[in-house]
Amino acid sequence: AQSVTQLGSHVSVSEGALVLLRCNYSSSVPPYLFWYVQYPNQGLQLLLKYTSAATLVKGINGFEAEFKKSETSFHLTKPSAHMSDAAEYFCAVSVKRGTYKYIFGTGTRLKVLA
Amino acid sequence: ETGVTQSPTHLIKTRGQQVTLRCSSQSGHNTVSWYQQALGQGPQFIFQYYREEENGRGNFPPRFSGLQFPNYSSELNVNALELDDSALYLCASSHEGSDNEQFFGPGTRLTVL
Repeated sequence: AQSVTQLGSHVSVSEGALVLLRCNYSSSVPPYLFWYVQYPNQGLQLLLKYTSAATLVKGINGFEAEFKKSETSFHLTKPSAHMSDAAEYFCAVSVKRGTYKYIFGTGTRLKVLA
Repeated sequence: ETGVTQSPTHLIKTRGQQVTLRCSSQSGHNTVSWYQQALGQGPQFIFQYYREEENGRGNFPPRFSGLQFPNYSSELNVNALELDDSALYLCASSHEGSDNEQFFGPGTRLTVL
């Protein structure tokens, strides 16, 4: 069965500092991996996705993530945090087995300090 | 191109009532998935519809049911509402060949009193 673990339910960084949000997955077959962002009272917006092409994936708003099969990780990073990055971030895994359902992690709330 | 839309935005019901939530897919998408997001949690997969047929279901009881229409819009119906059904309900649409990418709507916030 597939699963996703997000380490750290809350992460605080200073404005301009590196953002690192951790995601580890479990999958018996090559996964599709996604990072979504959710602002208060809104739906989910795709930041980036891994679909077995390049292991370093660049997304919107300066975010990127690296797929590391040996570590079963897909951590999200951004070199310099901006106040507007404060939100909830979700990692998700998708494996086609008749459906393209997502399994989400429990989320990491990012706080950016001025 | 119109994105995924959901209605209503907010809804308040009492325990035991029934509710219907609606979703319009993004243009060209033939697959709709529904997720329940409880407060402080990640979204949980309820079920998926592909070309009007249910195509997978998560660990939700039968009182959660759905429909997909020929125009690929969708409904989520919940009978005999319970307090724990209070959550944000998200609809997501996708199409074949999209690398499993799903496009989410803004959600419907359901409160059960």
